[in-house]
Amino acid sequence: DAGVIQSPRHEVTEMGQEVTLRCKPISGHNSLFWYRQTMMRGLELLIYFNNNVPIDDSGMPEDRFSAKMPNASFSTLKIQPSEPRDSAVYFCASSPTGVTDYGYTFGSGTRLTVV
Amino acid sequence: LAKTTQPISMDSYEGQEVNITCSHNNIATNDYITWYQQFPSQGPRFIIQGYKTKVTNEVASLFIPADRKSSTLSLPRVSLSDTAVYYCLVGEDKLIFGAGTRLAVHP
Repeated sequence: DAGVIQSPRHEVTEMGQEVTLRCKPISGHNSLFWYRQTMMRGLELLIYFNNNVPIDDSGMPEDRFSAKMPNASFSTLKIQPSEPRDSAVYFCASSPTGVTDYGYTFGSGTRLTVV
Repeated sequence: LAKTTQPISMDSYEGQEVNITCSHNNIATNDYITWYQQFPSQGPRFIIQGYKTKVTNEVASLFIPADRKSSTLSLPRVSLSDTAVYYCLVGEDKLIFGAGTRLAVHP
């Protein structure tokens, strides 16, 4: 099992550009979560999906952020336009169904730097 | 959503047992208690989860009193590699991370 796969590992972009982060959850996991981590705010839950359907997007900071899950094996988090304050590490996690005996499995994260 | 309170930081020495206590006074009936570990530049890693009483795995033990308003993560005989941030979370369908406890293990 390759675990949760995120790409790219690092992204440096200029302010105003569109950024797309990608996530492949563990096969068979029905829930997918996007988190953002910064020194100031810690780990924040942005959005989560269950069976490819967005269940709670209350953590999405503003309309510049959007997330999709077109199928069970792929999700994207898009920021358009990007701003320097979006610089953070973005984690994707998946789980069989919500909170389980095995918890969430996190990917290695994408470190985004907006200059 | 139930909130958790845990110490900001702790220090220990190699070979000692470390106990990190977390308060969750408003835990809901269906909430599980889950602990994660995070090393720098890595995503959080699941350690242990429980609902009540005591749970033990190859890494840690989790003690939960009958009222479930707190829990204690016990790490036996820590080593330098256990230096990390430990998060206590409660929830049923989604997990909200707090600030965590920064554990430093010294030689």
